[in-house]
Amino acid sequence: SAVISQKPSRDICQRGTSLTIQCQVDSQVTMMFWYRQQPGQSLTLIATANQGSEATYESGFVIDKFPISRPNLTFSTLTVSNMSPEDSSIYLCSVEATQNIQYFGAGTRLSVL
Amino acid sequence: GQSLEQPSEVTAVEGAIVQINCTYQTSGFYGLSWYQQHDGGAPTFLSYNALDGLEETGRFSSFLSRSDSYGYLLLQELQMKDSASYFCAVRDGRGGATNKLIFGTGTLLAVQP
Repeated sequence: SAVISQKPSRDICQRGTSLTIQCQVDSQVTMMFWYRQQPGQSLTLIATANQGSEATYESGFVIDKFPISRPNLTFSTLTVSNMSPEDSSIYLCSVEATQNIQYFGAGTRLSVL
Repeated sequence: GQSLEQPSEVTAVEGAIVQINCTYQTSGFYGLSWYQQHDGGAPTFLSYNALDGLEETGRFSSFLSRSDSYGYLLLQELQMKDSASYFCAVRDGRGGATNKLIFGTGTLLAVQP
């Protein structure tokens, strides 16, 4: 299993600013995943972060908008850059610490005004 | 494109049995998972099927038919605490950078007294 700490739990931001979300895992993991979830909707994968290499982004998501860092095997950050109200969402990180099981952080609830 | 379809809502009474279906169309397939998410909470793993057939874990069972691109989650002896959203998810890679999950549209289960 894995315990994931995600910060901040929520934030209200102004248009045009950036927010960095942190994800800390209690064990070393190879892959970390970042998702976006609109309230009442499904989870959409933003990118996969592998330590020591650039993140792999899904279609519709770009590095300039969602830069990701993965400095070691227990930590990652996702930055939401130049925010607009359309970026208001829940952002979740996850890891696969046990084969075929992903463990999720509690999420960051972002509101952009 | 890739899609995983689920009923949007299901309502049942305490003690009953409910089945949540998932039909998928994905470019790759290495297993079907189910996750539960309570309102405001993180998704939590319920089950995983890599091969055809039924997997049972307590009150929850999951079924997979790869030839039909179909699976379901069966919840027995429903309890009020089972009220949550349920997501199927396809693993579309064998591992490494392709070890990602594609989530279904989600089913909101309401258990009534």
